This record gives sequence, structure tokens and C-alpha cells, in this order.
Amino acid sequence: GNSVTQMEGPVTLSEEAFLTINCTYTATGYPSLFWYVQYPGEGLQLLLKATKADDKGSNKGFEATYRKETTSFHLEKGSVQVSDSAVYFCALSDRGGSYIPTFGRGTSLIVHP
Amino acid sequence: DAMVIQNPRYQVTQFGKPVTLSCSQTLNHNVMYWYQQKSSQAPKLLFHYYDKDFNNEADTPDNFQSRRPNTSFCFLDIRSPGLGDAAMYLCATSRGGQGNYEQYFGPGTRLTVT
Repeated sequence: GNSVTQMEGPVTLSEEAFLTINCTYTATGYPSLFWYVQYPGEGLQLLLKATKADDKGSNKGFEATYRKETTSFHLEKGSVQVSDSAVYFCALSDRGGSYIPTFGRGTSLIVHP
Repeated sequence: DAMVIQNPRYQVTQFGKPVTLSCSQTLNHNVMYWYQQKSSQAPKLLFHYYDKDFNNEADTPDNFQSRRPNTSFCFLDIRSPGLGDAAMYLCATSRGGQGNYEQYFGPGTRLTVT
């Protein structure tokens, strides 16, 4: 079956620090990969996505590259802000037919001024 | 703006008193999902519709039911809420068909059971 493994949180950083949140996956087919962000008290929002190997998704200064050889999709940002404090979920969808995405457990990011 | 709307944002109900949460979408998406999310956890899928076809997750309690009267609306009914059903309930949509299955989420309804 499909699964997504994310690094445990919380990740605590100072403003302007470099961020990496690790995500690895197992999938029976050839999945699309996503990062979603959830701010306190809100629903999830799509942050970025990649649909094939070596694709780089990017948005709001965040980036992630689809690495098929290492089955990874790590999220990075060069300089975090306090407003980036949220929970980040890595997810995959198997384009083979399932409409049910598989989510990682989520990683909480706390950014201090 | 096209979006997923959930009402109410906050719902308080009494133990055992039926409650209905609603979701509407202006995206004209085929697939609608209901998730339960408890604190510090990933969303847990309860069920989803592809058009009118209903798909229940195997571990969704019978206490949870859903209706989708048309493409735009979907309802979550909790017949006899228990204290353990207090959670955030998230509605989501996706286009369906061949594609990325990217999901669009509503803001959620926070359910409190007293």
C-alpha cells in the first residue's frame, strides 16, 4: 500500500533560518506529491505539488523536488518568517485510480522572532 | 472566488443530540470528502463521494452518515454524538478523473460535545 513518512516535530527555528522538513514515501504506482499547510484553526491549503520525477514545486518561497530514486519530497525554505508557523503535511495521490490521498502525520513548525 | 464553504465554523451539541454539518462548493468538482481531525493529528478520512457514488471507509463508525443531494452540497450527520466525536471536521473536494487529485479544503467546523 501507499504510505508517507514525515519527520517528527515540532521544528523550532528563529526567523530567517533555513527550513527543511523531510518527507519520504512508498507507493505502488507513480504518484503525484503534495505539500499542504494548515494554519491554526483553519483547513488545509495546498502549498505546492509535483507530478513527475525531478519536477520542482514552489510557492511563497517554499520548494520541494520530486526525487524518484530516493522516494523523497523534502520541503525547504531559505528564510522562514514568523507567519510560516503552521503544520505542514506531505501527501501523495496515486494516479493509477485512487481518489484517496495518503497523508503524512504532519510536522509542526514554530518560528520565533 | 470559487471555494469550499463549511457551516457553521463552530458547533456545540449535547451528548447524544443529532447534529448536521454542511459543506458547499463552487468548484464544480466531482469528488467530495469528509475528514475528521483531532488535535495534532493528520486528517482521517470518514467517507467520500464520486458524483453520487458513496464510499465509506471501513473504520468509520455507523454513527456517521452523509448525504450529497447535488454536486454542490454535502452533509455530515452525526446521529448520536459522543464525547469522543469532538474534533475538527474538514470537507474537501477534488476534480476526479485522470489527474493530480489535488484537494481543496474548506475552513473546517469545530465540533464541541458537552
